[in-house]
Amino acid sequence: NAGVTQTPKFQVLKTGQSMTLQCAQDMNHNSMYWYRQDPGMGLRLIYYSASEGTTDKGEVPNGYNVSRLNKREFSLRLESAAPSQTSVYFCASRQGYGYTFGSGTRLTVV
Amino acid sequence: QQQVKQSPQSLIVQKGGISIINCAYENTAFDYFPWYQQFPGKGPALLIAIRPDVSEKKEGRFTISFNKSAKQFSLHIMDSQPGDSATYFCAASREASGSARQLTFGSGTQLTVLP
Repeated sequence: NAGVTQTPKFQVLKTGQSMTLQCAQDMNHNSMYWYRQDPGMGLRLIYYSASEGTTDKGEVPNGYNVSRLNKREFSLRLESAAPSQTSVYFCASRQGYGYTFGSGTRLTVV
Repeated sequence: QQQVKQSPQSLIVQKGGISIINCAYENTAFDYFPWYQQFPGKGPALLIAIRPDVSEKKEGRFTISFNKSAKQFSLHIMDSQPGDSATYFCAASREASGSARQLTFGSGTQLTVLP
């Protein structure tokens, strides 16, 4: 099915470890986004990419880096994970006003 | 600071009742206002959306009311069903740098519809 695919679905990290969350879309959308979702705070924008080759910071970029590998793929990297980064991470792609979200990665940092 | 404020945090209604969720925004640059529905373990999915030049939009049992002067908008779910039990997010969208758009979410409302 067409859509946004995120891997992995679950991950447990130790404080200080690094990891990359992967996201791929097959809808030929130009723009892609990374959000984090925390209880009582909705979804907050971490980084976004308007088009291949460009990235910009969102509301909560500290502690994260991103790479727009090509038009399909947009990865999120945690270089040194902290307990405050325990969250559910969602990737999304956009065409026009419509956003399509992946099913999320649940990350726990202990 | 929260650019889009949503209330209530949780809502319990009886089957057949009306569910009402309210949102307010501050930034007048927002030009598109969607509502998302999220089930456990899933990503948010677009439910219904409105532009600020329209005061109301209805799709089936779901209606958005929009008050531009008050910078408020609300979601009404008529004849609420147990299958509507989910988390609902209001959101507001605006243009951003590099031809992108940014979507800002409210904090969410956990709706429970009792059978």
